[in-house]
Amino acid sequence: NAGVTQTPKFQVLKTGQSMTLQCAQDMNHEYMSWYRQDPGMGLRLIHYSVGAGITDQGEVPNGYNVSRSTTEDFPLRLLSAAPSQTSVYFCASGTGKTYEQYFGPGTRLTVT
Amino acid sequence: GDSVTQMEGPVTLSEEAFLTINCTYTATGYPSLFWYVQYPGEGLQLLLKATKADDKGSNKGFEATYRKETTSFHLEKGSVQVSDSAVYFCALSGPQGGSEKLVFGKGTKLTVNP
Repeated sequence: NAGVTQTPKFQVLKTGQSMTLQCAQDMNHEYMSWYRQDPGMGLRLIHYSVGAGITDQGEVPNGYNVSRSTTEDFPLRLLSAAPSQTSVYFCASGTGKTYEQYFGPGTRLTVT
Repeated sequence: GDSVTQMEGPVTLSEEAFLTINCTYTATGYPSLFWYVQYPGEGLQLLLKATKADDKGSNKGFEATYRKETTSFHLEKGSVQVSDSAVYFCALSGPQGGSEKLVFGKGTKLTVNP
């Protein structure tokens, strides 16, 4: 099993550009989530999904879109990048049976 | 809303010292509680968990006990090693114990010197 995979590992964007961060999991988990990690802030939830076709907002959803067309994939779209979105982004998946979440290796995004 | 407060870092210890990282929480219902660890340049890994009051989670010499009366989940290790240097996050599950979303503390950076 590859677990949770994320691409790209690093990305630099200019203000106003758009892009999609990819996330995939091969554990057949029903739950998937996106978090951002900023210094001194811990991890904050952006969006999450409890199954294919179902998504909901987390704590910091503004400027991001998600969709979940399959169990395996949960891409995060930045519509118009801003310097405030410079962060490390983590995707995670989980199941209600065991309560914990499994994290991908992260994407380090810089917006100039 | 739900929240997690953990002791501010950084924490610097010598090898074989005793470690405590405090964590308290505020939540409705009965959440599950977790400690995650992040080694430099990596994602988060689950270190241990407890899903109900008085449960003790343990792994790799680390322990934490779910104390409902003090709403705490303090992380302890009797003898730290250099390889334990990392950032440690306390977290709780969503409302009614659902695991679709986690609420994290801000993290505590631990450095262990030889």
